[in-house]
Amino acid sequence: EVQLVESGGGLVQPGGSLRLSCAASGFTFSGYWMSWVRQAPGKGLEWVANIKQDGSAIYYADSVKGRFTISRDNAKNSLFLQMISLRVEDTSLYYCARWFYDGSAYSLDYWGRGTLVTVSS
Amino acid sequence: QTVVTQEPSFSVSPGGTVTLTCGLSSASVSTGHFPSWYQQTPGQAPRRLIYNTNTRSSGVPDRFSGSIIGNKAALTITGAQADDECDYYCLLYVGTGSVIWVFGGGTKLTVL
Repeated sequence: EVQLVESGGGLVQPGGSLRLSCAASGFTFSGYWMSWVRQAPGKGLEWVANIKQDGSAIYYADSVKGRFTISRDNAKNSLFLQMISLRVEDTSLYYCARWFYDGSAYSLDYWGRGTLVTVSS
Repeated sequence: QTVVTQEPSFSVSPGGTVTLTCGLSSASVSTGHFPSWYQQTPGQAPRRLIYNTNTRSSGVPDRFSGSIIGNKAALTITGAQADDECDYYCLLYVGTGSVIWVFGGGTKLTVL
């Protein structure tokens, strides 16, 4: 069974840092693109970042570029999101999600339950 | 800045049919945007319903279908049920610069 379990969320002051982790199991982690998606309280979904299977290609949303770094450790089946210079508007539930490729298109087929990041003084 | 548009809310009667749409601020949506649709009930993670425009995910009832209608992606629910009442999001590949994927703002569907 595919499982994605996020951790590392918490309360942090504006300007602070936090590192999120996602533990993957039930599939060959190194064979998939992975992503972070966030959702502010009461708001919609926002794509944050993508990372290729071997980490050789990475993309970020403009809202986090230069402040967030996505990475992965395939030996440990883990995905990470290092967040610095956090802003109040970064307050969100952060989901780890797996990209599925059906031969012609990508979509997010499995999601974790999320970890909550609250940026507040 | 690329914006993906969805109806903020929609209402359908039990047993009725509803079509939710997903548009682009700057272009027509095509299969090349790889539209996918996600269902989210309160307090839960999103669940993929439709991918690659019109392919249903495993276990998704066939009352859910995806298509391109005019210049938008569409999610049609035929024979709406009470537990279809939740939020629906589309996701499009836009591929402009480094911002390559954009979610729509979501549609809150009410079944009454």
